[in-house]
Amino acid sequence: GNSVTQMEGPVTLSEEAFLTINCTYTATGYPSLFWYVQYPGEGLQLLLKATKADDKGSNKGFEATYRKETTSFHLEKGSVQVSDSAVYFCALTQPQGGSEKLVFGKGTKLTVNP
Amino acid sequence: EPEVTQTPSHQVTQMGQEVILRCVPISNHLYFYWYRQILGQKVEFLVSFYNNEISEKSEIFDDQFSVERPDGSNFTLKIRSTKLEDSAMYFCASSERSGGYTGELFFGEGSRLTVL
Repeated sequence: GNSVTQMEGPVTLSEEAFLTINCTYTATGYPSLFWYVQYPGEGLQLLLKATKADDKGSNKGFEATYRKETTSFHLEKGSVQVSDSAVYFCALTQPQGGSEKLVFGKGTKLTVNP
Repeated sequence: EPEVTQTPSHQVTQMGQEVILRCVPISNHLYFYWYRQILGQKVEFLVSFYNNEISEKSEIFDDQFSVERPDGSNFTLKIRSTKLEDSAMYFCASSERSGGYTGELFFGEGSRLTVL
């Protein structure tokens, strides 16, 4: 079945540091890939997405590139801020299969210190 | 900005009791979902709901679970006889289009259920 594996947290960085959160997936066919973020006390929010190989999703300085050859969708940001402290979830869905559901990874907690 | 709201934020119940978790999705959305996250584990899909019926459900969503849209605004998840392993954060979500096609779900803050 489909699955998502993302790096274990927690991740602690200083402000302006470079961030990478690794995400790999297992799926048949051509899934769409997503990063969701959950800020403290809030629900999950879509951060960015990519729907086909080599697409790059970007938002709020975060980027992720859909790499079919390595089945990866790593999240990166060049310079993190304290306000980026949150839990980040990698997820996939398979529109071709008609499935409604998102398959999530475990989540990676990021703390950015001033 | 429109948002999905969930109540209660935290509920503590005894094993075997019935629990109803409530959600108010975004008003023009047509697709509704429940997910849950057991502490330290993945966010798992439970059920999706469209046009007043279940469109997809997972193996977790057995006979002790049910969903309902009793009026034009609420979307509820009922657990008939709670077990210890039902302790989790339950997330409601809604979307304009099928989540399978856009992935753009709007989530509530979650309802934490603790079963003693």
